[in-house]
Amino acid sequence: KAGVTQTPRYLIKTRGQQVTLSCSPISGHRSVSWYQQTPGQGLQFLFEYFSETQRNKGNFPGRFSGRQFSNSRSEMNVSTLELGDSALYLCASSLAGDRKQFFGPGTRLTVL
Amino acid sequence: GENVEQHPSTLSVQEGDSAVIKCTYSDSASNYFPWYKQELGKGPQLIIDIRSNVGEKKDQRIAVTLNKTAKHFSLHITETQPEDSAVYFCAASGNFGNEKLTFGTGTRLTIIP
Repeated sequence: KAGVTQTPRYLIKTRGQQVTLSCSPISGHRSVSWYQQTPGQGLQFLFEYFSETQRNKGNFPGRFSGRQFSNSRSEMNVSTLELGDSALYLCASSLAGDRKQFFGPGTRLTVL
Repeated sequence: GENVEQHPSTLSVQEGDSAVIKCTYSDSASNYFPWYKQELGKGPQLIIDIRSNVGEKKDQRIAVTLNKTAKHFSLHITETQPEDSAVYFCAASGNFGNEKLTFGTGTRLTIIP
């Protein structure tokens, strides 16, 4: 079974731009969570989607948003990029009712 | 909210020896505790997990123990091998409907051949 896939793997943007990252969960998984990983702050929860509804949200500004489609694929968007948004953005998927979360390889975002 | 502390931040052990990484959590409502291994350039890989109704779980060379009273849980790797070298993260999460993972700060494990 294919794992979680994320596109693109690498992205370079400039301050003020916006970016959209994509995540395709493991087949059959309906829950998708997003995390930001930085050397300074570690792994931090952004939001979780289940059946196209945001179920949980972390402590990030409104510039960070996401959505989930009917096929469980998810996207996250960051508007008005700041230098501090440079990070590895990780997506994880899980089966409904199962606590195990499986991570993708991440998208490395660099903001110049 | 939940806070997870992880120690040590770095750990070097001789190949064949055991490695132990410890975590503490703050929220008594947390009831699920996974451990992840992250290699360079990859996403975290789930290696073992434990729920709060279990005190210990083992999978080959890897074991996790949980002390709910003290809010401690630990990862034990026996007979370490060079391929065990990676960064390990502990995490905690609450009940269904609040399953976001709160991660520890990570332990860089180096196995010395």
